[in-house]
Parts: sequence; structure tokens; C-alpha cells
Amino acid sequence: KQEVTQIPAALSVPEGENLVLNCSFTDSAIYNLQWFRQDPGKGLTSLLLIQSSQREQTSGRLNASLDKSSGRSTLYIAASQPGDSATYLCAVSGGNQFYFGTGTSLTVIP
Amino acid sequence: GAGVSQSPSNKVTEKGKDVELRCDPISGHTALYWYRQSLGQGLEFLIYFQGNSAPDKSGLPSDRFSAERTGGSVSTLTIQRTQQEDSAVYLCASSLDGGAGTDTQYFGPGTRLTVL
Repeated sequence: KQEVTQIPAALSVPEGENLVLNCSFTDSAIYNLQWFRQDPGKGLTSLLLIQSSQREQTSGRLNASLDKSSGRSTLYIAASQPGDSATYLCAVSGGNQFYFGTGTSLTVIP
Repeated sequence: GAGVSQSPSNKVTEKGKDVELRCDPISGHTALYWYRQSLGQGLEFLIYFQGNSAPDKSGLPSDRFSAERTGGSVSTLTIQRTQQEDSAVYLCASSLDGGAGTDTQYFGPGTRLTVL
């Protein structure tokens, strides 16, 4: 069974810093990997989706990379802002199954 | 346009009662997903509908859980004889096509279920 791990579980940084969130998965046979953010009491918002054939995706200050062979993905956030504070989740799909990590809780301090 | 909507937003029920949770996907989206998020735990995949195909039910935690999707649109997740461990936030998502998760999923706000 696929297992998805996110490190660190929590992260606190001062505003303006660049940061990296990590996601690892045990089975490299995936269709895609998605990064989401979840704000307290709300649903998930999709940030980036990387297909299995792709290496990275970029959207604004966000850049996500995927290395299937090593079972890893990183989400890079540039010039962090207080509004980036949220829980970030990665999810992998494969074989009509979807597996989420437990998330990284990010706090950006003004 | 309108996003994914779920109802009710909150549901409190007594142990042993049945509950129905509703999900309205984004219009035109053929794929629909149900997840469960328990306190302090990650999201747990429950079931996935793709168009008119039979759903993959392998993620449902027990036979007390069932889901249907009528007319390829609205979906209902039913939990029979609820137990306290069923307490969680139930999230629904939809995507344009699906195809084993090839498209971006858009999530609803969730239904918070509390079983007393």
C-alpha cells in the first residue's frame, strides 16, 4: 500500500523567507502528484498538479518538483507571506486510489 | 462558476442512526471523489466515481458505508448505524475528467459529522 510522508510536520518562518516542503512516497507507480493547501475549517485548494511524465510545475511564487524514481516531491515557496500560512498537503494517485500525506503546517510570521 | 458544494455543513447524530451526506460537483465534471479527514489524521480516500462507470469501493472502511451518484452528477454518501469513530470531516471533490486522477481535484467545504 502506498504511504505518503510529509516532513516537517510544522514549520515557522519569518516573512520573506524562501522555504521548501517535502513529500515522499513509497510506490513510484503513480499517475500524478498534487499539492494542496488547507485553511482552518475549510476545504482544500489545489495548488499544483504534476503528471507522472513531468518533472516540475510552477505557479507564481510556487514551484513543485517530482522525482518518481526516488519517490520524492518538493514544494518551494519563494518570498513567503503571512497569507501563505496554512497546512500544505501532498497527494499521489495511482490505480484509482488516492493517498494523502498528513501535511505540513506552515506559519509565516509578519 | 459555482464550486463544489456539500450539505449539511454540520451534522450531529446519535450512535446507531443513519446519516446521508450530499455532494454537488462542479457542473460538467465527470469524476467525483469522497474523502474522510479524522481529527489529527490525514485524508483517507473513500470512493471514486468516473462518469457512469461502477465506482471503486475498495476505500470504504466498512459495509456500513455506501455511496451513489445519480445521473452522473449529485452524490450521496450514506453511513448506516453510525459509530463514534465515524466522527470526522467528510470532503467531496470533483474533477473535469478523472481518468485515475489525472485532473486537478476541486474540493467542497466538507461536512463535519459528530456522532454522540
